[in-house]
Amino acid sequence: EVQLLESGGGQVQPGGSQRLSCAASGFTFSSYAMSWVRQAPGKGLEWVSAISSSGDNTYYADSVKGRFTISRDNFKKTLYLQMNSLRVEDTAVYYCAKEGPQPPDYFDYWGQGTLVTVSS
Amino acid sequence: SYELTQPPSVSVSPGQTASITCSGDKLGDKYACWYQQRPGQSPVLVIYQNSKRPSGIPERFSGSNSGNTATLTVSGTQAMDEADYYCQAWDSSTDWVFGGGTKLTVL
Repeated sequence: EVQLLESGGGQVQPGGSQRLSCAASGFTFSSYAMSWVRQAPGKGLEWVSAISSSGDNTYYADSVKGRFTISRDNFKKTLYLQMNSLRVEDTAVYYCAKEGPQPPDYFDYWGQGTLVTVSS
Repeated sequence: SYELTQPPSVSVSPGQTASITCSGDKLGDKYACWYQQRPGQSPVLVIYQNSKRPSGIPERFSGSNSGNTATLTVSGTQAMDEADYYCQAWDSSTDWVFGGGTKLTVL
């Protein structure tokens, strides 16, 4: 059974940093591209960042480019999102999502999400 | 940048058919997929590659994509289908893009 378990959320002040993690199990982690998708309170889904299966290629939404960094550790089967220079508008539930077998592709599994609140 | 447009809400009576549209420039040239999100839960993939259903998704969910519009159809709608539905596609200019979401209400 595929499981994705996010952690690292919490409250942070504007301008601060936060690192999210997503522990994967139930599939060959190193074979699949992964993404982070966020959802602000009461709003829709917004793709944030993606990384190839090897980690060699990364992609970012314009809204986070230059502030967020996605990475992965295929030995630890863990996906990361380093978030710097956080803004109030970054407040959201952050989901990690597994891509389908032919990237760029749909997201076939999602984690339960972790809430990041940026507030003073 | 590429955008996908969905109606904010759709209402349907139990047992009837609901159709949710997703519009984007030449969307029919891309693969569209759909996610269901019940309140307080994570999104669940219900349709991928325009019309394919993942394992475990009921047959009453179907999809199509042509021209500028992708459509999610829920036949014989049940109370448990009440949720938010999001379309999604990939475009080279904006990478992964989601529609704004449609709230399906089963009256």
